[in-house]
Amino acid sequence: LAKTTQPISMDSYEGQEVNITCSHNNIATNDYITWYQQFPSQGPRFIIQGYKTKVTNEVASLFIPADRKSSTLSLPRVSLSDTAVYYCLVNNAGNMLTFGGGTRLMVKP
Amino acid sequence: GAVVSQHPSRVICKSGTSVKIECRSLDFQATTMFWYRQFPKQSLMLMATSNEGSKATYEQGVEKDKFLINHASLTLSTLTVTSAHPEDSSFYICSARDQLAGGYNTGELFFGEGSRLTVL
Repeated sequence: LAKTTQPISMDSYEGQEVNITCSHNNIATNDYITWYQQFPSQGPRFIIQGYKTKVTNEVASLFIPADRKSSTLSLPRVSLSDTAVYYCLVNNAGNMLTFGGGTRLMVKP
Repeated sequence: GAVVSQHPSRVICKSGTSVKIECRSLDFQATTMFWYRQFPKQSLMLMATSNEGSKATYEQGVEKDKFLINHASLTLSTLTVTSAHPEDSSFYICSARDQLAGGYNTGELFFGEGSRLTVL
């Protein structure tokens, strides 16, 4: 299973754009990249998923370069409620998800 | 999106007793569910893969006789912590994939709310 590396923590301020980069150097051809958000004492919540280039939904964008060895989750105009742990995972169909350390994002007023 | 529900959300028990946690997929069927454990300030650790109608697959280091998993139907998996001890106190989270919603091909899993176990 591809291993992921993310910054342990990040600080930001309300209204700013936050970019969290994840490295996954040994990603396999059929792996997808998925990002989850977790609040304290809650289960992870799906944010976005992509395979290559750029994916955008109502809450985030995911940028994936051509070599797919990294990905960047972009959160536009964060608010205090975006304070959470963000996990980057790579996996393919039918497999369980293996969580890395995650990035603890703190949004300040 | 698909909903996965866990019960109970919190449980406190005495050392030596057994505790059962239920995981239900409310609006979809899941032949496979996954059980994770999370200690404070740490990431989720996969404990086992629960397969409907067959034995669960446990990760290395997870005692199958201590953490009993039963997946008797396509919408229910249970985790029983037997003879619980204080070191078993943790946040247990289940997840399932919606096979019919494209989730199977894209790897998206839906997670339950988690169950916090405290063993006194």
